Amino acid sequence: NAGVTQTPKFQVLKTGQSMTLQCAQDMNHNSMYWYRQDPGMGLRLIYYSASEGTTDKGEVPNGYNVSRLNKREFSLRLESAAPSQTSVYFCASREQNTGELFFGEGSRLTVL
Amino acid sequence: SQQGEEDPQALSIQEGENATMNCSYKTSINNLQWYRQNSGRGLVHLILIRSNEREKHSGRLRVTLDTSKKSSSLLITASRAADTASYFCATRNSGGSNYKLTFGKGTLLTVNP
Repeated sequence: NAGVTQTPKFQVLKTGQSMTLQCAQDMNHNSMYWYRQDPGMGLRLIYYSASEGTTDKGEVPNGYNVSRLNKREFSLRLESAAPSQTSVYFCASREQNTGELFFGEGSRLTVL
Repeated sequence: SQQGEEDPQALSIQEGENATMNCSYKTSINNLQWYRQNSGRGLVHLILIRSNEREKHSGRLRVTLDTSKKSSSLLITASRAADTASYFCATRNSGGSNYKLTFGKGTLLTVNP
């Protein structure tokens, strides 16, 4: 099993450009998450999807949109990238019984 | 805002020594989890302790939870160079969404060979 797969692994954008980070999980989990990680800030929740068809804001949702395309896939979109969105983005899915999160390897985004 | 705060921010020890990291949190929780992150990688789940548990073991890991003090500790015994990583606590708050897990800022552990 691949677990949680994120693409792309690296991306450089110019201010104002848009892009979508893709995430897919093959563990049949209902819940999926997007976090960002910045130096000294730990992980902060951007959006989450408790189940297919639902999405909810986390701690830092401004400037982002999400789509839960189906049970497997949860994408994060930056409509107009800003330098403050330079970060490492992690997608995760949640095992229902244990509550354990499984993380992807991260997508490193730089906005110039 | 972040719920958990790890202490210390950084810890450097020699191989074979024990490493203790602490996590404090602000509001009542259902459970607390510890995760590990190797440099440049995603987080990996280590252990979960529920609010009605006081201590839990997994291999060389020992986790304690004191709900009266709103704190948890992670002890790694007989540390190895391969234990070098960042360690995060994460909490699921009682009364809040069942699906939101809030992470602290992490402790960077360096184990010197």
